[in-house]
Amino acid sequence: DAEITQSPRHKITETGRQVTLACHQTWNHNNMFWYRQDLGHGLRLIHYSYGVQDTNKGEVSDGYSVSRSNTEDLPLTLESAASSQTSVYFCASSETGMTEAFFGQGTRLTVV
Amino acid sequence: DAKTTQPPSMDCAEGRAANLPCNHSTISGNEYVYWYRQIHSQGPQYIIHGLKNNETNEMASLIITEDRKSSTLILPHATLRDTAVYYCIVYGFGNEKLTFGTGTRLTIIP
Repeated sequence: DAEITQSPRHKITETGRQVTLACHQTWNHNNMFWYRQDLGHGLRLIHYSYGVQDTNKGEVSDGYSVSRSNTEDLPLTLESAASSQTSVYFCASSETGMTEAFFGQGTRLTVV
Repeated sequence: DAKTTQPPSMDCAEGRAANLPCNHSTISGNEYVYWYRQIHSQGPQYIIHGLKNNETNEMASLIITEDRKSSTLILPHATLRDTAVYYCIVYGFGNEKLTFGTGTRLTIIP
C-alpha cells in the first residue's frame, strides 16, 4: 500500500545544530507540505511544494528550508536549531487537482 | 486565502448526531470545502469534501448552504472514537495549499 513516512519519529538536538527531518511518500503525489504544531495550537504551514524543483514559503518559514529533487521526498532542514523550534512536525502530500491530503505520523523535535 | 470560522469546542452525547458548523463567507467559486480531523497527537485524517452539493460517505455527511457561505459536518452516530479536533478548510484550483485554522474540539460524552 502507498504511504507517507516521516523519520525520525523523535529527535533531541542542541541549539545551533543543523537538523534535517525526512518525509517520503509513495503515492507519486505532486503536492507536499510541512507543518509544525505546538501544544494547544493548530497546524501552521512551514513550506510547500507543487512538484520537483518547486518550493514555496508558508506562514512560518523563517529558519527552515526545503528542497524537492524528486517526487517522493521533501526533506525539511533547520539551518541552526533554536529552542523556539521545539515542536511536532507533520508532513503531508496530495495529488494535483483537489484530492484529499495524506499526513505522516509526525516527528517530535526537541531543541535543548 | 479564504478564511473559515469554527466554534472552539463542542460536546455531543454518544450515539447522537454531531453537527459541526463552519463559516466561510469569503469562499470563491472554484474553492472546495474540506474537512479533516486530528485525533490526539496523530496526523490529520481526511473526512469529506464538497463544492456545492451535499455529500455523504461512510464517515460523515457534508451540508453546504446554497450561497456556499457556510457548511455543516454531520457525524450521524457519534462514538467515543470521534473525539478529536475537526478542521474546516477551504481551497481551490491554483491554490492547493492546505492552511489550517484552530478547528473545533469535539468531545463525545458517554
